[in-house]
Amino acid sequence: EDQVTQSPEALRLQEGESSSLNCSYTVSGLRGLFWYRQDPGKGPEFLFTLYSAGEEKEKERLKATLTKKESFLHITAPKPEDSATYLCAVQASGTASKLTFGTGTRLQVTL
Amino acid sequence: SAVISQKPSRDICQRGTSLTIQCQVDSQVTMMFWYRQQPGQSLTLIATANQGSEATYESGFVIDKFPISRPNLTFSTLTVSNMSPEDSSIYLCSGDLTPGVNEQFFGPGTRLTVL
Repeated sequence: EDQVTQSPEALRLQEGESSSLNCSYTVSGLRGLFWYRQDPGKGPEFLFTLYSAGEEKEKERLKATLTKKESFLHITAPKPEDSATYLCAVQASGTASKLTFGTGTRLQVTL
Repeated sequence: SAVISQKPSRDICQRGTSLTIQCQVDSQVTMMFWYRQQPGQSLTLIATANQGSEATYESGFVIDKFPISRPNLTFSTLTVSNMSPEDSSIYLCSGDLTPGVNEQFFGPGTRLTVL
């Protein structure tokens, strides 16, 4: 059974204080690993898809990396508007686009 | 990217009744998905809906409880039947523009409270 574990559950940063969120996964053949951002009362917003170990993708202050067992979402010099829950999901080979989600990391960035 | 809307955005329902949630996409999508997000928890896939065929349900979810329609490539409905308080949750639909492109876009969700 595919599993996704995210840590920490919650993270509080000061503005400008860089950090990383972790997503550990077990899957029977990784087709893709996804990162989403979810704001309160809204649906998840797509950020990145990673396909193979060693791959990296960047978007503004966010950078996602992938190894064979985990993915990291690095947040550089965060701002208060980066406060949200960040969700990680995996898609296994042969599962017709089904996503298995982790429970997320709630990020709060303060001034 | 596709824009997905859902109706209603929220509802409060009585035990034993049913609610149908609508999901509209502004472009044609091959596959649509229905998820449930219970308070403080992550998203759990209920079923996958393809046009012209019956939905495929995940373990723990059955068609009698969550009937789904997919009449065309831009629209789907999920009905939550014979509701109980345990069905209180956020229900989300998503669309997969092109199989293999791997960018699932989500609607804003429907917050359901069952009394």
